[in-house]
Amino acid sequence: QTVVTQEPSFSVSPGGTVTLTCGLSSGSVSTTYYPSWYQQTPGQAPRTLIYSTNSRSSGVPDRFSGSLLGNKAALTITGAQADDESDYYCMLYMGSGISVFGGGTKLTVL
Amino acid sequence: EVHLAQPGAEVKKPGESLKISCKGSGYNFTSYWIGWVRQMPGKGLEWMGVIHPGDSDTRYSPSFQGQVTISADKSISTAYLQWSSLKASDTAIYYCARQLPCTGGYCYPYYFDSWGQGTLVTVSS
Repeated sequence: QTVVTQEPSFSVSPGGTVTLTCGLSSGSVSTTYYPSWYQQTPGQAPRTLIYSTNSRSSGVPDRFSGSLLGNKAALTITGAQADDESDYYCMLYMGSGISVFGGGTKLTVL
Repeated sequence: EVHLAQPGAEVKKPGESLKISCKGSGYNFTSYWIGWVRQMPGKGLEWMGVIHPGDSDTRYSPSFQGQVTISADKSISTAYLQWSSLKASDTAIYYCARQLPCTGGYCYPYYFDSWGQGTLVTVSS
């Protein structure tokens, strides 16, 4: 079974830029996987940030952007703020109606 | 405005059955896929399965196939997730969320846009 991989943790300084990635245990991520990204803070439901690789969900600040980087999907946060400290999950569409989440990245802003 | 309403919590004993709900409003419930996501205590998100309320087409993650049943009643704009015999390991928060996109008059389950607040299911003797 294909595993979706993410960095377990990452840290960024306030005002800095960080890129989180989303890969596959076998193969490369492409637009046909419709990569999407979700932010979750403790005790809250997830919030959709990015869908279809690089489309920003309504109300999401433009400091969040999505792309493909090499053989992975990527979420870049430019000008990180304290309230960006959250867990970030990517999800890939595997076909036949099935999707898979990555294990999540815990982002620390310090 | 799209809204997905879920009960806040359920407490059950091992071996009992349970059916939790997700009521959609603010959009055409029949057209959009609804997915279910599990989050065990302190763990990440897991995609469980998805249903198209219009025709009840249902797909399951291999990890959850046979463990749960997803259904929908389009007459009351409600999707369901049910267990026939709960285990302590089913203790988790369960989220429902609408899946998109819609193009050419049909909707596909490629990503989530709107989320419910989640139902905390506690299974304990």
